[in-house]
Amino acid sequence: GENVEQHPSTLSVQEGDSAVIKCTYSDSASNYFPWYKQELGKRPQLIIDIRSNVGEKKDQRIAVTLNKTAKHFSLHITETQPEDSAVYFCAAPNRDDKIIFGKGTRLHILP
Amino acid sequence: ETGVTQSPTHLIKTRGQQVTLRCSSQSGHNTVSWYQQALGQGPQFIFQYYREEENGRGNFPPRFSGLQFPNYSSELNVNALELDDSALYLCASTLGQGAYEQYFGPGTRLTVT
Repeated sequence: GENVEQHPSTLSVQEGDSAVIKCTYSDSASNYFPWYKQELGKRPQLIIDIRSNVGEKKDQRIAVTLNKTAKHFSLHITETQPEDSAVYFCAAPNRDDKIIFGKGTRLHILP
Repeated sequence: ETGVTQSPTHLIKTRGQQVTLRCSSQSGHNTVSWYQQALGQGPQFIFQYYREEENGRGNFPPRFSGLQFPNYSSELNVNALELDDSALYLCASTLGQGAYEQYFGPGTRLTVT
């Protein structure tokens, strides 16, 4: 199969707290795992990605972890800010090497 | 912002009509993928073009077709429009085979009435 499952579908966190979004994928050959952020009415923007040869990657307040054995990867946002409110999508290549997206997580940062 | 552009930004069509959407890829990118994003959903892969040839297709009927031109710009054509075709259509360009990083255009919002 070529499913990318993402959860939760909605997440509310207090400003300053951390947010974690998780994804699982089905194709064990997948080797690239991007995360996109989509603000209302805008295009998806690549915020971080990881390849299968590493287990974790960080960029300021954002990090992605990968567990290839379990076929899951997670997005971690620390010290959340109001501008982090958006829909986040994970994605992975299918067996034909085409990028397939999860259904998205709507993140609300509460004041 | 990426260098990927799309036109038009919005479009309203009637059921049964045909539509053509356009995408200009980022400079140097020879691969373009098209996605359909229904409201509240993730982007669904329609197809990909690499050097003017279709290079993979998702679970969409044949009335969804495309083209890529020598300058790597691309078109998405949809015939016999249905109400469920109402969505945001996104194109994404990639540097080429073996590269995964995709950069999206702003999308075309299609409404079918």
